[in-house]
Amino acid sequence: GNSVTQMEGPVTLSEEAFLTINCTYTATGYPSLFWYVQYPGEGLQLLLKATKADDKGSNKGFEATYRKETTSFHLEKGSVQVSDSAVYFCALSDPGSNSGYALNFGKGTSLLVTP
Amino acid sequence: KAGVTQTPRYLIKTRGQQVTLSCSPISGHRSVSWYQQTPGQGLQFLFEYFSETQRNKGNFPGRFSGRQFSNSRSEMNVSTLELGDSALYLCASSFSTGSYNEQFFGPGTRLTVL
Repeated sequence: GNSVTQMEGPVTLSEEAFLTINCTYTATGYPSLFWYVQYPGEGLQLLLKATKADDKGSNKGFEATYRKETTSFHLEKGSVQVSDSAVYFCALSDPGSNSGYALNFGKGTSLLVTP
Repeated sequence: KAGVTQTPRYLIKTRGQQVTLSCSPISGHRSVSWYQQTPGQGLQFLFEYFSETQRNKGNFPGRFSGRQFSNSRSEMNVSTLELGDSALYLCASSFSTGSYNEQFFGPGTRLTVL
């Protein structure tokens, strides 16, 4: 079946440091890939997405590239801020699978950025 | 535009009871999905409704059920509650069904089963 694996953290960085959160996936078809962010006490917000191989999603300084050859979708940001502290979830949607359009999430990576 | 709303935000029940959670999607959205979030299992898909029809269902026992009304509002019901049902239940709405339709999440209902 489909699955998403991401580093669980917690990841602690100093402000302005470079961020990478690794995400790899297995899928039977041609999934769309997503990064969601969850701030404390809130629901999930879509951060960025990519719908086909070699697509790059970007938003608020975050980027991720859909790499079919390595089945990866790593999240990166060049300079993190304290306000980026949150839990980040990698997810896929594979309509060709039994799950249809449902989002299949990784376990989440907690990020803490210190001043 | 108002976001996805979920009621109640917090709920405490005892084992064996049943519970109903409510979700109001963003105006104009016709698809509603439900997810369970726990520290151990993470985020797991429960079911999706589109135009009052269940389109997809996750791997949960029959104690978990849902429905959608003609105004797209959705409810999920859990019967014969177990301790392991304690979780944050998230509802997400989208304009239509399909992976290209962004899902907007509500703040969740925190269910505690004692």
